[in-house]
Amino acid sequence: AQSVTQPDIHITVSEGASLELRCNYSYGATPYLFWYVQSPGQGLQLLLKYFSGDTLVQGIKGFEAEFKRSQSSFNLRKPSVHWSDAAEYFCAVGAVAAGNKLTFGGGTRVLVKP
Amino acid sequence: NAGVTQTPKFQVLKTGQSMTLQCAQDMNHEYMSWYRQDPGMGLRLIHYSVGAGITDQGEVPNGYNVSRSTTEDFPLRLLSAAPSQTSVYFCASSYSGQGGGEKLFFGSGTQLSVL
Repeated sequence: AQSVTQPDIHITVSEGASLELRCNYSYGATPYLFWYVQSPGQGLQLLLKYFSGDTLVQGIKGFEAEFKRSQSSFNLRKPSVHWSDAAEYFCAVGAVAAGNKLTFGGGTRVLVKP
Repeated sequence: NAGVTQTPKFQVLKTGQSMTLQCAQDMNHEYMSWYRQDPGMGLRLIHYSVGAGITDQGEVPNGYNVSRSTTEDFPLRLLSAAPSQTSVYFCASSYSGQGGGEKLFFGSGTQLSVL
C-alpha cells in the first residue's frame, strides 16, 4: 500500500527566510507526486505536481519541489517566505493505474514570524 | 465560477442521527471524491466516483454511503452518525484522471461534530 510521511508537524520560519518541507513516500510503481496548500478555513489548492521529466518542478506562489527517487522524497522549497505563506501543506501520492485517488501525508503547519 | 460547492459548512449531530452532506460541481468533471480530514492524519479517501452511476470505496468507507445520479452532484450520507465521524469533510472533483495525475478541485469543507 502506498503511504506518505511528512516528518515535521509544525515549522516556524521568519518572513524572508527560506523554507523546506519534507515529504517521503512509499509506493512500488511510478507515482504521481503532489503538494497542496490549505489556508485556514479553506479547501486545498494545488501548488505543483510531478510525474516524469525534470526532477525539479516549479509551482505557483514561488514554490518548487525536487523529486529524488533514490531517497523516495519530494521536498518542497521556497527561497523567501511571505506572511501569506502561513498555511498547512500536504504532500500526496497517486498511482498511475489508480485514477485520481490520492494518499495524503499528515500535513505540515507553517507559521511565519514577522 | 462556483467550482465545488459543499453544504452545509457546519453541522452538529447527535449519535444515531442521519444526514447528507451535499456536494455539487459545475465544471463537468467526471471524477468526484469525498475525503475526511483529521488532525495529524491528513486527508483520507472515503468514496469516489468516476462518472454518473459509478461509485467505489476508498480507504475509510465504513459508515458512509454515496450515490452519483448526475455528473454534477455527489452526496455523502451518514446513516447513523457516531462520534468517530467527527471530522472535516472535503469534496473534490477533477477531470477523469483514468491515467492519474489530474488536479483536484476542492470544496471549502464541512465541519461535522457528532455528540
